Amino acid sequence: RKEVEQDPGPFNVPEGATVAFNCTYSNSASQSFFWYRQDCRKEPKLLMSVYSSGNEDGRFTAQLNRASQYISLLIRDSKLSDSATYLCVVNPRGSNYKLTFGKGTLLTVNP
Amino acid sequence: SQTIHQWPATLVQPVGSPLSLECTVEGTSNPNLYWYRQAAGRGLQLLFYSVGIGQISSEVPQNLSASRPQDRQFILSSKKLLLSDSGFYLCAWRGGAGDEKLFFGSGTQLSVL
Repeated sequence: RKEVEQDPGPFNVPEGATVAFNCTYSNSASQSFFWYRQDCRKEPKLLMSVYSSGNEDGRFTAQLNRASQYISLLIRDSKLSDSATYLCVVNPRGSNYKLTFGKGTLLTVNP
Repeated sequence: SQTIHQWPATLVQPVGSPLSLECTVEGTSNPNLYWYRQAAGRGLQLLFYSVGIGQISSEVPQNLSASRPQDRQFILSSKKLLLSDSGFYLCAWRGGAGDEKLFFGSGTQLSVL
């Protein structure tokens, strides 16, 4: 099983749609989790951290399920500007300095 | 506030030529520094990380090396580039213990021909 696994997509959705991404991780003792957004030929940028209780930032909701070892990102009311690759990121326990990145899920929001 | 600078933005180099990519961080001290590579259609691969001046950890055996001559400067080098060194190189920094978020520079697109 890969350390961090994501559905590569692509996801093509119309404006206003709700879209959800899932990510699974293999290290059950992983400590912290993040979603990053990467535009084409640009650097990844932190979108949000993922907390055990779940957290929301505007149209974005992130959730963590430790028992099943997956995290999710929900985007409501999709905008054209949401088109990007979304990277799932995990900090494995015992790896104080290194984050593990998924390969990303490509989202295209269409007018 | 903290900023990270990485240059150049794009680079085209012939096979066998040397490489030097530089990254500097401002507004913080003693950051953890990282070099990642992203090949076309692939995920981010950690190449090197550094927790302090002169302290370099290599993640994968390869044709590259890294150095940290100053607290906020991180350099990626190669003596002789290979075709397989092509990719998008990203420098990143992270604060100290308890701060796990990574912040990236704008990246260097390297094409080895």
